[in-house]
Amino acid sequence: SQQGEEDPQALSIQEGENATMNCSYKTSINNLQWYRQNSGRGLVHLILIRSNEREKHSGRLRVTLDTSKKSSSLLITASRAADTASYFCATASPGANNLFFGTGTRLTVIP
Amino acid sequence: EAGVAQSPRYKIIEKRQSVAFWCNPISGHATLYWYQQILGQGPKLLIQFQNNGVVDDSQLPKDRFSAERLKGVDSTLKIQPAKLEDSAVYLCASSLGQGGNTIYFGEGSWLTVV
Repeated sequence: SQQGEEDPQALSIQEGENATMNCSYKTSINNLQWYRQNSGRGLVHLILIRSNEREKHSGRLRVTLDTSKKSSSLLITASRAADTASYFCATASPGANNLFFGTGTRLTVIP
Repeated sequence: EAGVAQSPRYKIIEKRQSVAFWCNPISGHATLYWYQQILGQGPKLLIQFQNNGVVDDSQLPKDRFSAERLKGVDSTLKIQPAKLEDSAVYLCASSLGQGGNTIYFGEGSWLTVV
């Protein structure tokens, strides 16, 4: 299966702390994307990192990609209660027509 | 810019009944997806359209699920007859192209089969 797996499955932190989520996948990729899903809502795209990139930033988000280890991490700095959500990684493989989503990390930020 | 619209948002039906979900993608998006998301899991692709043609329906349970995208815009997903294990959120999404494009999701249609 190409599906990624996030680690940890659940993470609980205090507001202001940093949150790190990891994603591992099995096949070669063209890009890897992170999405957020608030409870009861659809998924929202956060950031895309291409296979030839190692790190990317967007606001308080920092994504790294290690293609040799087939892994990625999402760092949210200075977390806020509004960051409470599930976070999914999704991979796009060469020749594939769509994205394969991981199982998600449930982040809870305690005010 | 309007997002992906889905209806109904919530539906409760008895097993063996039928249900249909409707989706209107973002204007100009050629690719439309239907995903199934069971509670606590990631989205699983059911079917992908490119304009009005099917690109991938390998994980669609064709004995009970059907989908169409007439005229390459709106789409409907139908389940008949429903089973208890079909209880899930059905997410419609769209993108400009295929492959690794960013996907834009609707809010989902929550189905409970009792």
